[in-house]
Amino acid sequence: NAGVTQTPKFQVLKTGQSMTLQCAQDMNHNSMYWYRQDPGMGLRLIYYSASEGTTDKGEVPNGYNVSRLNKREFSLRLESAAPSQTSVYFCASSEESGGYGYTFGSGTRLTVV
Amino acid sequence: AQSVAQPEDQVNVAEGNPLTVKCTYSVSGNPYLFWYVQYPNRGLQFLLKYITGDNLVKGSYGFEAEFNKSQTSFHLKKPSALVSDSALYFCAVRDRSGNTPLVFGKGTRLSVIA
Repeated sequence: NAGVTQTPKFQVLKTGQSMTLQCAQDMNHNSMYWYRQDPGMGLRLIYYSASEGTTDKGEVPNGYNVSRLNKREFSLRLESAAPSQTSVYFCASSEESGGYGYTFGSGTRLTVV
Repeated sequence: AQSVAQPEDQVNVAEGNPLTVKCTYSVSGNPYLFWYVQYPNRGLQFLLKYITGDNLVKGSYGFEAEFNKSQTSFHLKKPSALVSDSALYFCAVRDRSGNTPLVFGKGTRLSVIA
């Protein structure tokens, strides 16, 4: 089925460990996004890529890096995980601009201990 | 800067009654407006959007929303609630000018009681 695929679905890290969250879409969308969801905070944008070859910071980029590997894939890296990064992470994709909504992945639940 | 407010953390409604989930927004120009729904342990699913034209927008699962420019609101409504509508609802906005990402509200948890 067409959509956005995120891996892994669950992950437990120790403080200071690193990991990469993977995201791939097969809808030929130009733009891709990483959000984190925390109780009472809604969705907050971490980084986004408006088109292949570009990335920009969102509202909460500190502690994260991203790579737009190609048009399909957009990865999120935590270089040195902290307990404050315990969250549910969602990747999304969309057409480039205008009145197009997002298609979301099913999320990665990350716990940092 | 763009922003969205969902003033209610929780909305409770009896099955069969009408429901309203409130959303107000702030953008510098004209908005694109969206509603998404999230069921437990799932990603967000698109419900409906306002782009242009008729202020009353109809979407999935019998939901509708009314765009009110003077009140900068985009409230989600349904004439008759179902228990299966119980979920977390997010309003989102983006400015028409430029390619800015969607800004989401904090979400409203809807509980429909049988």
